[in-house]
Amino acid sequence: GNSVTQMEGPVTLSEEAFLTINCTYTATGYPSLFWYVQYPGEGLQLLLKATKADDKGSNKGFEATYRKETTSFHLEKGSVQVSDSAVYFCALSDTGNQFYFGTGTSLTVIP
Amino acid sequence: EAGVAQSPRYKIIEKRQSVAFWCNPISGHATLYWYQQILGQGPKLLIQFQNNGVVDDSQLPKDRFSAERLKGVDSTLKIQPAKLEDSAVYLCASSLRGRPTGELFFGEGSRLTVL
Repeated sequence: GNSVTQMEGPVTLSEEAFLTINCTYTATGYPSLFWYVQYPGEGLQLLLKATKADDKGSNKGFEATYRKETTSFHLEKGSVQVSDSAVYFCALSDTGNQFYFGTGTSLTVIP
Repeated sequence: EAGVAQSPRYKIIEKRQSVAFWCNPISGHATLYWYQQILGQGPKLLIQFQNNGVVDDSQLPKDRFSAERLKGVDSTLKIQPAKLEDSAVYLCASSLRGRPTGELFFGEGSRLTVL
C-alpha cells in the first residue's frame, strides 16, 4: 500500500541554519509528492510539489527533489528564518486522488 | 477566491453526545475530503467524496461517524455518540478532479474536545 515516513521532530534550529527534513515513501505506480506546512493556528497549506521523478519543487526558499531511485522527497532550505517555524507534512497522492500524509515534523527557529 | 470554509472552529462536548461539522469547499472543486488529525499525528482520511458520491470511506468508523454531501457542494460530518478518543481536529479539504493539479486545499479545521 501507499505510505509516507518522515523524520520525527521536534527540530530546533538557529536563524540562518540549514534545514533538512527527510521523507521517504512507499507507493504503487507513480505518485505525486507534496510538502504541506501548518503555521500555528492555521490550516495546512501547500508548500511545494513534484509530479514526476527528478522534478524539483520549490517555494519560499524551500526545495525538494522527487527521487524515484531512493523513494525520497527530502525538504531543504539553505537559511531558515523565525517565520519558518511550523509543522511540515510530507504527502503523496495516487492516481485516485487519494492523499497519504506523514506524521509531521515540528520546526522551531530561534533568533 | 474564497477558501474552504469550516464551522464551528471549536467544540467541546461530553462523551456520548453528538456533534456536527460543516464544510463548504472551494467553488468548482468536485472532490471533498474529511480528515481527522489527532494531536502529534498526520491527517488521517475519513471519507472522500467525488461530487455527491463516496469514493472512499474505508477508515470511517461507521458505527458512530456519518457524512453526507448533498448536491455535491457542502458537506457535513456527524459523530454520534462521541468518545474520548474522538478528540481531534477535523479537517475538510477540496481539490479539482483529476491530475496533475492534485493539490489539496484545506480549511482551518474544527477542533473537537470530548470530555
